[in-house]
This record gives sequence, C-alpha cells and structure tokens, in this order.
Amino acid sequence: DQQVKQNSPSLSVQEGRISILNCDYTNSMFDYFLWYKKYPAEGPTFLISISSIKDKNEDGRFTVFLNKSAKHLSLHIVPSQPGDSAVYFCAASASSGGSNYKLTFGKGTLLTVNP
Amino acid sequence: DAGITQSPRYKITETGRQVTLMCHQTWSHSYMFWYRQDLGHGLRLIYYSAAADITDKGEVPDGYVVSRSKTENFPLTLESATRSQTSVYFCASRAGLASYEQYFGPGTRLTVT
Repeated sequence: DQQVKQNSPSLSVQEGRISILNCDYTNSMFDYFLWYKKYPAEGPTFLISISSIKDKNEDGRFTVFLNKSAKHLSLHIVPSQPGDSAVYFCAASASSGGSNYKLTFGKGTLLTVNP
Repeated sequence: DAGITQSPRYKITETGRQVTLMCHQTWSHSYMFWYRQDLGHGLRLIYYSAAADITDKGEVPDGYVVSRSKTENFPLTLESATRSQTSVYFCASRAGLASYEQYFGPGTRLTVT
C-alpha cells in the first residue's frame, strides 16, 4: 500500500522553463511534507518543506504547493537549470498517531534539465 | 568534518557472510535511521533509533540488526547476507521531534554475490 505516490518516473524540461513535479498521498494523517533532491552517488538532501496549515511555501527558485482536499502537492522550479537535474523524492510525515518520527517516501522522479 | 558519514562507501560480500555498515554523526542528533534504496521502491525504512539504547523496526527489518550504544553511532549489521539485500543503504539523522527534516549520509553501495 503506497501512501506517497510520484506517478511520473521521469520528467524532461528545457533550461529556463518551469519544472513541475507532482506527488499524491493517501494517508489523511499526513500533515507535513518535504522534498528531497538526490544526485547520483550522493545521499538525498533536503530541499523544501510545507506544513498542512499552509498551501504554499517558497524558497528562491523552489515553490511547493499543497492541495489538502486533493491530497496533492507539487514542486515548482523556476527557472530550471541544468544543475537541477537529479532525482526528486516527495516525503510525508504525520505529527500524531505515534509515528511522527517517520518519513514516508515516494519512489522519486528523475528530472532532466536540457541546456 | 561535521555531518553524517558512512563507511564503507562500497562493499562486495558473499551470501551468508556477516557485514556491518557504519554510520557516524557529529550533530548529537537524537534520532537516527537506516534506509535502503532500490529501483522501483524509493527509500524504505529498515530501523530507527530515538536515542542511545532505543531502537525499533521500520518497514523492512528482516535480516538486519542494529545497535546504538553511543548517540553518534548507529551501525547496521546483516547477520547472514542474501542477494536480496544488494542495495544502496543510507543512514540519516534528525535533531528531535520538533524538526521533521532528516539529514542523510552519502550512502553505502552493497553487493551480495
């Protein structure tokens, strides 16, 4: 039972354009969401997060949008740069229910930004 | 250097052998985690630890053993390695329950032949 889904295994965009990575979740207890970026042969690095009390969080070129009613979040990268080429993981956590230590990850989306 | 380190970075072992993957963090974070990353599965939690001498199972604990005698170290042992344990293993840490972010080590690529 996959609670965090990233349905697009890969995405290719042109440099300078917008990249939109999507993530859906099924567990209504999730109330905190994170995006991680992973380069080959490196560990995932934290990128941006959002609490369920917000619907948008922005950090430079990166913006995460949360639609609680649809159980959907998206990561927007504007403008995209070749250095953004990496695997992006969506992760979710529930602050209650005894599992607030835990992150549940999606399978990841490979973003390729073409020069 | 401050941060989280893993050793070895690459390991090849034979089926049935015991192997230990090491994880060390310098932040004094309370929580530490072990994940495995496999194609088609993303990151799956193997074990976690809330503090020294406190450990618990994650999603895929079978065949693994952990210990945490010191806050900064969290070794993962494969008692009798199997080919299905060929994977990339990541250690992570988290400051406490008030902070959701986990910080990952560089990973250990383990091949079981």
